[in-house]
Amino acid sequence: ETGVTQTPRHLVMGMTNKKSLKCEQHLGHNAMYWYKQSAKKPLELMFVYSLEERVENNSVPSRFSPECPNSSHLFLHLHTLQPEDSALYLCASSQDLGVNEQFFGPGTRLTVL
Amino acid sequence: AQTVTQSQPEMSVQEAETVTLSCTYDTSENNYYLFWYKQPPSRQMILVIRQEAYKQQNATENRFSVNFQKAAKSFSLKISDSQLGDTAMYFCACCGGSNYKLTFGKGTLLTVNP
Repeated sequence: ETGVTQTPRHLVMGMTNKKSLKCEQHLGHNAMYWYKQSAKKPLELMFVYSLEERVENNSVPSRFSPECPNSSHLFLHLHTLQPEDSALYLCASSQDLGVNEQFFGPGTRLTVL
Repeated sequence: AQTVTQSQPEMSVQEAETVTLSCTYDTSENNYYLFWYKQPPSRQMILVIRQEAYKQQNATENRFSVNFQKAAKSFSLKISDSQLGDTAMYFCACCGGSNYKLTFGKGTLLTVNP
């Protein structure tokens, strides 16, 4: 595996479910990001981790809970989501913060019923 | 605050022709970066080209080049000899430097017609 991978690629969940999105980067990068991509809107930065420490929580509702157990893995835990949370969730990584070229994963298409 | 504006939601071009996508931005950073990313349908977002703001020379990558006008805060992407595989959503992004956050525009959907 190379680059940034995300699983699952598609997820359908009810509002009472709990699920997790997984991101893994094989690039040796130190910074990882979660973005939300909705139709006709700019990418919204959700969370930023640097060396496994969260450095950004961009006013994201608590029903989204990130976890970064090591510099290669990033999770987004989901619970009691709303239909408006349906979107493409993108993970990205960069060598370090401030080195801004980010490498993106393919995304998880989330549908909340 | 950083802002990025892409004023063209959709564009189309004939194969082999040249097209220019517009982007304007605003930032208070002195040392920053600008990027164009490409997101093909149902595929991964990839970096097309990057420009360091301190460099006066416009960046080029094969058929892709930028017109960077720092004073005007303009960063347009020119695609020469357009190919069907260039069909994608293109996102302009700024800025970085001391602020690590990238701000993205809403994107321009480019369709290359045969």
